[in-house]
Amino acid sequence: NAGVMQNPRHLVRRRGQEARLRCSPMKGHSHVYWYRQLPEEGLKFMVYLQKENIIDESGMPKERFSAEFPKEGPSILRIQQVVRGDSAAYFCASSPTGYNTGELFFGEGSRLTVL
Amino acid sequence: EDQVTQSPEALRLQEGESSSLNCSYTVSGLRGLFWYRQDPGKGPEFLFTLYSAGEEKEKERLKATLTKKESFLHITAPKPEDSATYLCAVQARGTDKLIFGTGTRLQVFP
Repeated sequence: NAGVMQNPRHLVRRRGQEARLRCSPMKGHSHVYWYRQLPEEGLKFMVYLQKENIIDESGMPKERFSAEFPKEGPSILRIQQVVRGDSAAYFCASSPTGYNTGELFFGEGSRLTVL
Repeated sequence: EDQVTQSPEALRLQEGESSSLNCSYTVSGLRGLFWYRQDPGKGPEFLFTLYSAGEEKEKERLKATLTKKESFLHITAPKPEDSATYLCAVQARGTDKLIFGTGTRLQVFP
């Protein structure tokens, strides 16, 4: 019973390049959340998606960041024209229902380093 | 603004030395308070959900309690394998996102 799968685990990009992070939720989970963890900071909510819908993107920066969760395939967090401040660990979590109990199932994260 | 503050930032314990971690919160209508454990290089792992003041949950050597302003994670007779960062989070009514604290990094020495 596979958990939440994220890839790549580590990604290095130069300033101005694009980063694409992928997340496959647990089987049977149709709700996906993305969180960002900066060094010495707590996890910060970015976006909440259901299949083909963005439910809450209040934590997403207005520019350069986008997320999708298509009908088929993984959820993707896309960062265009990366800057050094985007260096962080990006965690995806999934849950079976939207009115969740706070029991989110997290992946192991994708660590982005921007040179 | 909804906020979570955890203390201490770091805690070193001898094996068997019980202690408590604190999570203070302010939230506009608490839907739930959650504790997670995070090992280095891993994603957070769910431990407990607490919904109302006075509620308690237990799991092995861990017990979580909740008041109207804070939660405690009590660790009884810890073992080295309990070493991890413990994260507290709150969820406000009407939202689906969690607000996390910065965590308490626990180290238990044999």
